[in-house]
Amino acid sequence: ELKVEQNPLFLSMQEGKNYTIYCNYSTTSDRLYWYRQDPGKSLESLFVLLSNGAVKQEGRLMASLDTKARLSTLHITAAVHDLSATYFCAVRKFGNEKLTFGTGTRLTIIP
Amino acid sequence: DVKVTQSSRYLVKRTGEKVFLECVQDMDHENMFWYRQDPGLGLRLIYFSYDVKMKEKGDIPEGYSVSREKKERFSLILESASTNQTSMYLCASSFLGTGGNTIYFGEGSWLTVV
Repeated sequence: ELKVEQNPLFLSMQEGKNYTIYCNYSTTSDRLYWYRQDPGKSLESLFVLLSNGAVKQEGRLMASLDTKARLSTLHITAAVHDLSATYFCAVRKFGNEKLTFGTGTRLTIIP
Repeated sequence: DVKVTQSSRYLVKRTGEKVFLECVQDMDHENMFWYRQDPGLGLRLIYFSYDVKMKEKGDIPEGYSVSREKKERFSLILESASTNQTSMYLCASSFLGTGGNTIYFGEGSWLTVV
């Protein structure tokens, strides 16, 4: 059974600081997703990572994937208040159509 | 613009009632999914479908069934609602197979069972 662990579950950080959210998964995967969710809203796709060493960046967010370590990171650079949200990673097991989600990281950026 | 539409955003139902949650996508996607989201548990897959009339159980199918009579529509059915099914339900869709395909989510349906 595929398990996806995210940490931390809660993260409170000051504006302007850098931080990283970690996503570990238990079995071979062929793609990893990062999503953002604002309170009461649906999930917005941020990144899809397909291969070992993949790195994608959008604004202050950068995601990377290490398939050997079964680890993905979402790095936040110089955080701003607009980045406050819950972030989920999700993993698709190799050869399977289903996604398994982590429990989410609730990020709060303090002015 | 990509669209996954869940017809009911907020529902309040009584224990034992039969509940239908409807989801429609306009992207000609083969895959459609139903997840439920609960605090501290993330999203858990209930059922998914990769084609019309095809379905597969997810991680928590007990108490639920699904129907996919047309490619664009995927319904989640609670045969006899119970209070532990109070949750937010999210529908999603995607293309089948390989490639960096994004999975698109609907706005969610908040169900309260009293």
